[in-house]
Amino acid sequence: GESVGLHLPTLSVQEGDNSIINCAYSNSASDYFIWYKQESGKGPQFIIDIRSNMDKRQGQRVTVLLNKTVKHLSLQIAATQPGDSAVYFCAETLLSGGSNYKLTFGKGTLLTVNP
Amino acid sequence: NAGVMQNPRHLVRRRGQEARLRCSPVKGHSHVYWYRQLPEEGLKFMVYLQKENIIDESGMPKERFSAEFPKEGPSILRIQQVVRGDSAAYFCASSPDRKDEQYFGPGTRLTVT
Repeated sequence: GESVGLHLPTLSVQEGDNSIINCAYSNSASDYFIWYKQESGKGPQFIIDIRSNMDKRQGQRVTVLLNKTVKHLSLQIAATQPGDSAVYFCAETLLSGGSNYKLTFGKGTLLTVNP
Repeated sequence: NAGVMQNPRHLVRRRGQEARLRCSPVKGHSHVYWYRQLPEEGLKFMVYLQKENIIDESGMPKERFSAEFPKEGPSILRIQQVVRGDSAAYFCASSPDRKDEQYFGPGTRLTVT
């Protein structure tokens, strides 16, 4: 299940299940969003992105959903594998603004996949 | 294809010493960004540099921190007179242009004792 507290939110799933990771973003003006995967001891790795003129985008085994009304982003991972175990961050920015390079990251969710 | 390289990967400094973190961007990328990550938190933007220029340092502490990206050589993030609160992972990212995807390096984990 999912829990939120002083530490990172965590999500524990069985191998083969689908995973849903949620993110509440902060700036209603943000128009570009990215999901990153960060494995232990490594830098963030781009997974998938979405612009604010879309509400859904699909990649290979991953889908990102955007709900601008409630400023909510989710990442769905199909048929989760042990290699998906990592911390997942959402990031937002304003592409149309002058500071479009400045990514604002959420706190992250730790996904653990049990074999 | 070499990605973003950072060194050292781990750095231990005593309080009051200087820390120098190096970042070599992806070949051909002239835009470099530094982020700091405290334990169990997301990355926080510090500074954006292009070759020989600091474009935005709004996320950098006003004192003790400086960054450069010289014409030749890696980008350097320098922290003078380190304190325990500087302990964190420092990530560098690069991109070919400011609107392009940022590629992250593996980070330097700084521990101040």
